[in-house]
Amino acid sequence: AQSVTQLGSHVSVSEGALVLLRCNYSSSVPPYLFWYVQYPNQGLQLLLKYTTGATLVKGINGFEAEFKKSETSFHLTKPSAHMSDAAEYFCAVSLPLPGGGNKLTFGTGTQLKVEL
Amino acid sequence: GAVVSQHPSRVICKSGTSVKIECRSLDFQATTMFWYRQFPKQSLMLMATSNEGSKATYEQGVEKDKFLINHASLTLSTLTVTSAHPEDSSFYICSARKRSGLYNEQFFGPGTRLTVL
Repeated sequence: AQSVTQLGSHVSVSEGALVLLRCNYSSSVPPYLFWYVQYPNQGLQLLLKYTTGATLVKGINGFEAEFKKSETSFHLTKPSAHMSDAAEYFCAVSLPLPGGGNKLTFGTGTQLKVEL
Repeated sequence: GAVVSQHPSRVICKSGTSVKIECRSLDFQATTMFWYRQFPKQSLMLMATSNEGSKATYEQGVEKDKFLINHASLTLSTLTVTSAHPEDSSFYICSARKRSGLYNEQFFGPGTRLTVL
C-alpha cells in the first residue's frame, strides 16, 4: 500500500520569500515521487520527479525537492516565490503494477498563495 | 513532445443523458491511459486504468456500467458517463503513459469540466 500526506492545505508566502510545501509518503517498496502543479481549470503539469540516483531533484520554474528516506519526505522548495507560482500543488507517489506500468496516488494538495 | 488533449473542455448536459469525453495523445503512442476525477478543491481520484485493446480496470467503488471506458487505439481513449446525474458533475482528467517512456511517466490532459443540470 502507498499513501501521500501533504501537510497544510493552504500556504501563504510573500513574493520573494521561501516556498516550502511538505509531503510525506508511505510505500512498501522504493518509491517514485512526483510534484505536480495545477492552475485553475487546467490539468496537471509535472514540476519534478525522483526515481533513483541523486536525492536532490531540480525541476522547472526554480523548484526543487529532496528525497529523504529516513524521514519518508519529499518536500518541495523554491528560494524566492513569484506571483505566478500561485497554484495548487500535488505530491504523488508511484507504485509499480504487477502487469507493468504504475499507479499514481496523489496527496490532497496544497494551495499556494503569493502575496505582494 | 508528450502532449495530451481532451475534448470537450467543458460540457453541460441534462440529467439522464450520456456524455462522451475524448482523451488523445497527440505525439506519442500510449499503451496505458488513466481517467481521474477531481471534485472542487480536492485531489485527483483514479477511476480506471485502460490498456489499448483490453477492458479497463476500475478502481473500487467506481461503477463500470456508468463510466464506460474505451481504449480503441494507441492514441485515443474515451470516457462515457451514462445516464448522467448532478452528482456526476466534476472535473475529469485523463493521463497517458508513453509506450516506451522511462520511469512510467504519465502525461496529463487539460481536463474536462462536466456539469449535469
